[in-house]
Amino acid sequence: NAGVTQTPKFQVLKTGQSMTLQCAQDMNHEYMSWYRQDPGMGLRLIHYSVGAGITDQGEVPNGYNVSRSTTEDFPLRLLSAAPSQTSVYFCASSYRFGGQETQYFGPGTRLLVL
Amino acid sequence: AQSVTQLDSHVSVSEGTPVLLRCNYSSSYSPSLFWYVQHPNKGLQLLLKYTSAATLVKGINGFEAEFKKSETSFHLTKPSAHMSDAAEYFCVVSVLGANNLFFGTGTRLTVIP
Repeated sequence: NAGVTQTPKFQVLKTGQSMTLQCAQDMNHEYMSWYRQDPGMGLRLIHYSVGAGITDQGEVPNGYNVSRSTTEDFPLRLLSAAPSQTSVYFCASSYRFGGQETQYFGPGTRLLVL
Repeated sequence: AQSVTQLDSHVSVSEGTPVLLRCNYSSSYSPSLFWYVQHPNKGLQLLLKYTSAATLVKGINGFEAEFKKSETSFHLTKPSAHMSDAAEYFCVVSVLGANNLFFGTGTRLTVIP
């Protein structure tokens, strides 16, 4: 199994540009989520999905969209990038939703918005 | 409400000496607690987790943590630090029915040769 994969590893955008961060998992996990990591703030939840066709907002959803058309993929879209979205983005998945389930994290995408 | 406080933002130890990374949590319900490690420019890897079974939890790479409900703590320890332990460590709390994990702000561990 490849686990959780993310592309690209690194991206530079100009303010106002759009892009999609890709996330895929091959473990047949129901639950997938996106976090952003900023210095001194730990990880904060952006959006999550408890299954194909179902998504919901996390703690910091503004400026981001998601969709879940398949179990495997959970892309994160930035519609109009802003410098405040400069961060490291992590995708995670788990077999079920919440509680005792271990989350499996991807390697991250470093995004710089100029 | 759930929250996690990692009491030290940076811990420095000499190689071969014990490691203690402190974590206190707050939870309205019975929590599950995790420690994750992040090596430079890498993703997060699970070290260990507590899920209401034994209060002393053993993880990978010689790490262990003890859940102390009376002190609302879940400190991470290792008897002897290795150079490869240098990384960022996150204490995380989760509760059944919550939609996300609650992360501490992280502790950076430096190991001095």
